[in-house]
Order: sequence, then C-alpha cells, then structure tokens
Amino acid sequence: AQKVTQAQTEISVVEKEDVTLDCVYETRDTTYYLFWYKQPPSGELVFLIRRNSFDEQNEISGRYSWNFQKSTSSFNFTITASQVVDSAVYFCALSGRGSQGNLIFGKGTKLSVKP
Amino acid sequence: GAGVSQSPSNKVTEKGKDVELRCDPISGHTALYWYRQSLGQGLEFLIYFQGNSAPDKSGLPSDRFSAERTGGSVSTLTIQRTQQEDSAVYLCASSLERLAGETFGPGTRLTVL
Repeated sequence: AQKVTQAQTEISVVEKEDVTLDCVYETRDTTYYLFWYKQPPSGELVFLIRRNSFDEQNEISGRYSWNFQKSTSSFNFTITASQVVDSAVYFCALSGRGSQGNLIFGKGTKLSVKP
Repeated sequence: GAGVSQSPSNKVTEKGKDVELRCDPISGHTALYWYRQSLGQGLEFLIYFQGNSAPDKSGLPSDRFSAERTGGSVSTLTIQRTQQEDSAVYLCASSLERLAGETFGPGTRLTVL
C-alpha cells in the first residue's frame, strides 16, 4: 500500500530558529515522485518541490532544504532561520501508481512561527 | 490566465440538491486534477484528466460524483443528490504534464445543509 506519514501534527518555533518537518513514505514502486506543498492561512496550496526517486541529491532553495533518503524512505524538509511568513500547513505527498495521476498526501504539519 | 481559477468560491446547498463546480486551468496545461479537503479526511484525490479523458476515476467516492473536461480546458465536477458528508473544500489543480508539480486553485467551499 502507498502511504505518507507526517508524524508531527503541529510545531511551534520562535523566529530565526531552524525547523525540520518529517515525512516518511511507503511504496512498492521503484519509480515515484515526492512532493512538498505549503498551505498558508489564505488557503491556497503552493507547490514547493518535486523529487524523482532516482535522484537522492539534497536540494537547497534559499532558506529551504530537502533531505531525501531512500534507505529510510524519508523526505524531510528543513527551514533555516524561520520567519513568521513561513507559518502554514506543510504537506508531503507521494505520486500514485502507474498511470494514476493522483498524489497521496500526508495529513500535514502545521508550523507556527512566532516573532 | 495566470493561475487556476475556480467558481463559485463558496456554495451552500440543501441536502438532495445537485451542484456543479467549475475549474479553469492554466492555459496549455494538459493535466487536470480534482481533490477535496476536509478536516476529517485531509486531502483526497478525486479524479485526473489528461486532455479530455479521465484515465483514473478511482477516487470518485460514489456514483453521485461525475466530472468532465471539454476542449482540453475547463472542467466541471458535478455532485448529484448532495449529502452532508459532501461538505468540503473542492480543489482543482493543473500541470503541464502528469505529476509535474501541480498549481492549485483557491478551491470551492461546499456546505450541504
């Protein structure tokens, strides 16, 4: 079965702290994609990143970085020097099997960054 | 347009009535998806279109739900004989190709009384 687990339901940090959001996935596919989305209080989901299962290189984009480890089936997301504007619900997702076009989402982690 | 648009933004209906939700994807995006988001169920996949055809209808929760896409562009999601458990935010997304990193619309908040 395919599954995405985001064990952290809510995280609260103070501005400028670093924070890591965990994502663990299950799939029997050898080829798959992993995603992170951000849903700010305004409600609209924003695409952050897509990684191919064959590319385990870590990625950095500004204050955001992603650590993909196939050995532990994890795709963790770190925000460095967090800011109040980072407050949102963050979703990790896994691509569905075969010709399916769906994403399987985790339950999300609500991040609150306090000034 | 610049992004994915959905209409209406809010819809309140009575149990048993039919509703139609509309999605205008980004021009040129061949892949279109419908999801719904509710407190209890999180984000659930409903249906995926590639062009005008729907190779994957596995997520539709019942035969009361149907969707179509015309001209490789606009899509409508129809819910017949609405039930209270259909209350949710219905999200549409589109991408240039399957699973390329979808752009989501603002959603339609459906409330069934």
